Amino acid sequence: QVQLQESGPGLVKPSETLSLTCSISGGFISDYYWTWVRQPPGKGLEWIGYISYNGDTNYNPSLKSRVTISLGTSKNHFSLKLNSVTAADTAVYYCARVTGPPVLGSGALDYWGQGILITVSS
Amino acid sequence: SYELTQPPSVSVYPGQTANITCSGDKLGHKYAYWYQQNPGQSPVLVIYQDRKRPSGIPERFSGSNSGNTATLTISGTQAIDEADYYCQTWDSSTGVFGAGTKLTVL
Repeated sequence: QVQLQESGPGLVKPSETLSLTCSISGGFISDYYWTWVRQPPGKGLEWIGYISYNGDTNYNPSLKSRVTISLGTSKNHFSLKLNSVTAADTAVYYCARVTGPPVLGSGALDYWGQGILITVSS
Repeated sequence: SYELTQPPSVSVYPGQTANITCSGDKLGHKYAYWYQQNPGQSPVLVIYQDRKRPSGIPERFSGSNSGNTATLTISGTQAIDEADYYCQTWDSSTGVFGAGTKLTVL
């Protein structure tokens, strides 16, 4: 059974960089795509971006200038960096596994982490 | 950018059928996915590739997708089905979510 766990600081100051890690247990990065999704308090889901097992990435156009998703040095984690954060970036951040290549439109988000609340405040 | 439109809310009596729609330009040419989210919990995949159910999802959940509209159907709705439901698709490798529909079981 694949399990995902987000980790990172719960509080980030405005203008600084938000850094999160998603740790994968019960599986490996190989053969899948991996994605980040966020949800502001009381609002809907927003797709942030994905990374493939070989490092290919694609980002939400509205966040592209501030986002970087990367693979970890080991085969069981990947990371999210979002720079120049503002209060509008306050949200629960989820990592999830994508079952197929998004370019083919065939990828479902089948395993999700429990989410981590990130608050942007001074 | 591509957009998916869902009704903010749908209400249904226990035992009845709930239909939650998701509209987007030529959505029927893409795959639609549906996620259920209970308060304070992570989303759960309930339908993938328009109409397939993951293991463990009850048979009362079904999906369809044609033209500009994908539909999540819950037959014999139960109180435990009360939740937020999100549709999702991929447009040029970019993930897109609908704004979500709150299903209320009266």
